[in-house]
Amino acid sequence: DAGVIQSPRHEVTEMGQEVTLRCKPISGHDYLFWYRQTMMRGLELLIYFNNNVPIDDSGMPEDRFSAKMPNASFSTLKIQPSEPRDSAVYFCASSPIGDRYNEQFFGPGTRLTVL
Amino acid sequence: KQEVTQIPAALSVPEGENLVLNCSFTDSAIYNLQWFRQDPGKGLTSLLLIQSSQREQTSGRLNASLDKSSGRSTLYIAASQPGDSATYLCAVDGNKLVFGAGTILRVKS
Repeated sequence: DAGVIQSPRHEVTEMGQEVTLRCKPISGHDYLFWYRQTMMRGLELLIYFNNNVPIDDSGMPEDRFSAKMPNASFSTLKIQPSEPRDSAVYFCASSPIGDRYNEQFFGPGTRLTVL
Repeated sequence: KQEVTQIPAALSVPEGENLVLNCSFTDSAIYNLQWFRQDPGKGLTSLLLIQSSQREQTSGRLNASLDKSSGRSTLYIAASQPGDSATYLCAVDGNKLVFGAGTILRVKS
């Protein structure tokens, strides 16, 4: 398996623009997680899905952030409008079927810079 | 609210030395604890996962222990190598995964 795939790997945009980050989880995994990593706050869970359904979005910082999982092999994290303080590395992770508390496998991340 | 602390924040050791990284957490109601490695500019690689019912896990030169009652975990690295240089993150899973700030390890050749 190719592992968790994220695109783009790097994104530079201007304040006010819409940003869409994409994730393809490992095939057969039914949990998907979105995290954000910054120097100030470390790694934070934003939202996670089980079987394509959002379970906990309490970590989503503002209404400007939204996430979807239209099918088992694809998820998006959208920021609209983007702000400079959204600059961070965004990670997607997936976890195997059946047990919420199994090992999580991380993608390589998307480094977002908002100017 | 779960808080995870890792000590030390940074560590520099000569090659071949055995070393211990520490992780503490405030809420012992956890399901598991994971140790990750993160290389600069890269994602996280899971090293070891300890279920709450377990006390330790081993993989090669790595050994992780868990003491839920005291809210502590240690990652032991034997015979360190320059390739072990990375940031090591501890994460505890209660109702969600909460990460420590990490320990930056440098192994000098």
